[in-house]
Amino acid sequence: GIQVEQSPPDLILQEGANSTLRCNFSDSVNNLQWFHQNPWGQLINLFYIPSGTKQNGRLSATTVATERYSLLYISSSQTTDSGVYFCAVAEGTGGFKTIFGAGTRLFVKA
Amino acid sequence: DAGVIQSPRHEVTEMGQEVTLRCKPISGHNSLFWYRQTMMRGLELLIYFNNNVPIDDSGMPEDRFSAKMPNASFSTLKIQPSEPRDSAVYFCASSVGRTGDAYEQYFGPGTRLTVT
Repeated sequence: GIQVEQSPPDLILQEGANSTLRCNFSDSVNNLQWFHQNPWGQLINLFYIPSGTKQNGRLSATTVATERYSLLYISSSQTTDSGVYFCAVAEGTGGFKTIFGAGTRLFVKA
Repeated sequence: DAGVIQSPRHEVTEMGQEVTLRCKPISGHNSLFWYRQTMMRGLELLIYFNNNVPIDDSGMPEDRFSAKMPNASFSTLKIQPSEPRDSAVYFCASSVGRTGDAYEQYFGPGTRLTVT
């Protein structure tokens, strides 16, 4: 099956810093999502981005499907950005079977 | 609008007991997914439904696990008998799915299951 790798596994930032999180996948995908799991365990949708670039406030994401990677950019980080960021892709022609990466654990220091 | 609703939020049970987790998807969504999250294995897809029909249950760990979706607004995940290694957070997610494609998934708050 498809492999999803996220990097870095852990990241510590000073408040106000910028960061880039990466998601590599081993085969063609039908769709790709970025999630933030907050310290309370809630999975929050950030982007649905099978291809192209999207922006939402301080966050933006780019997926280059032909090169099998996606990037999540966090600018001017805040302590509330702390948590785990997951990339999830759907494989197969049906686009339903979803594989999650292991996540990037982010801690933003005040 | 109500999101995905899961119940109970926490469940503590003894080994050997039957456990039933419940999920109500977002109204109008026709695809439903059950996931399990553990420290060791991360987030794993257990089973997904499209239009109330199970499409792929290859992620279900063993015969002790079963899932049903009797109608468009309700699904259950049952573990019988439960074992300590089933302790995890179980998430339900839903999305709009057209033939051949599933779109953005929205997750419920999860059920934290502890089997002693």
